[in-house]
Amino acid sequence: GAVVSQHPSRVICKSGTSVKIECRSLDFQATTMFWYRQFPKKSLMLMATSNEGSKATYEQGVEKDKFLINHASLTLSTLTVTSAHPEDSSFYICSARPLADDYEQYFGPGTRLTVT
Amino acid sequence: QQQVKQSPQSLIVQKGGISIINCAYENTAFDYFPWYQQFPGKGPALLIAIRPDVSEKKEGRFTISFNKSAKQFSLHIMDSQPGDSATYFCAAQVSGGYQKVTFGTGTKLQVIP
Repeated sequence: GAVVSQHPSRVICKSGTSVKIECRSLDFQATTMFWYRQFPKKSLMLMATSNEGSKATYEQGVEKDKFLINHASLTLSTLTVTSAHPEDSSFYICSARPLADDYEQYFGPGTRLTVT
Repeated sequence: QQQVKQSPQSLIVQKGGISIINCAYENTAFDYFPWYQQFPGKGPALLIAIRPDVSEKKEGRFTISFNKSAKQFSLHIMDSQPGDSATYFCAAQVSGGYQKVTFGTGTKLQVIP
């Protein structure tokens, strides 16, 4: 149980285009999902907290107009990188916290984004 | 105050040995301390977690030791195996559905045969 999927696992896009990453909780409902970015050999950097049915809460320094987050249902959150540039290339990871759970979060397998 | 300091940055242990990773925190409001294991190109996976009302938690070869007064906690991997080679992150958070997790900087563990 407690499986989180991400799609796509890898994506290559051209500079200036937008790319959407999906995060799904497969066997549980999640009011809260989190989006992280991870650079090589570095820790996870929280980008935003996504709450179902409301606007995401972005961390300081994260451009909300560039990284659009939508949490339309209790099992799906999406991250759209708009007008991507090579510096947006990174490993993006989502996690989901089950309903009525104050502690656990389950991570997706990550999405490798390369912007050329 | 939100930081979680983790050491060492990297660790090489022989098969069968004990791997020890240490973390320290400042925020006394933290009440949940998970450890995550991450393999290259994969998302982190919860390994073991502890709450501050206990000083130790053991699951198989993995043990968390927790020192509330010192605001420190550590992960011990007994009988380390090559398959344990991964990056380990300690973390801390305040309980609550919307609360975010603060991660340590990570420790890359290599277990050599």
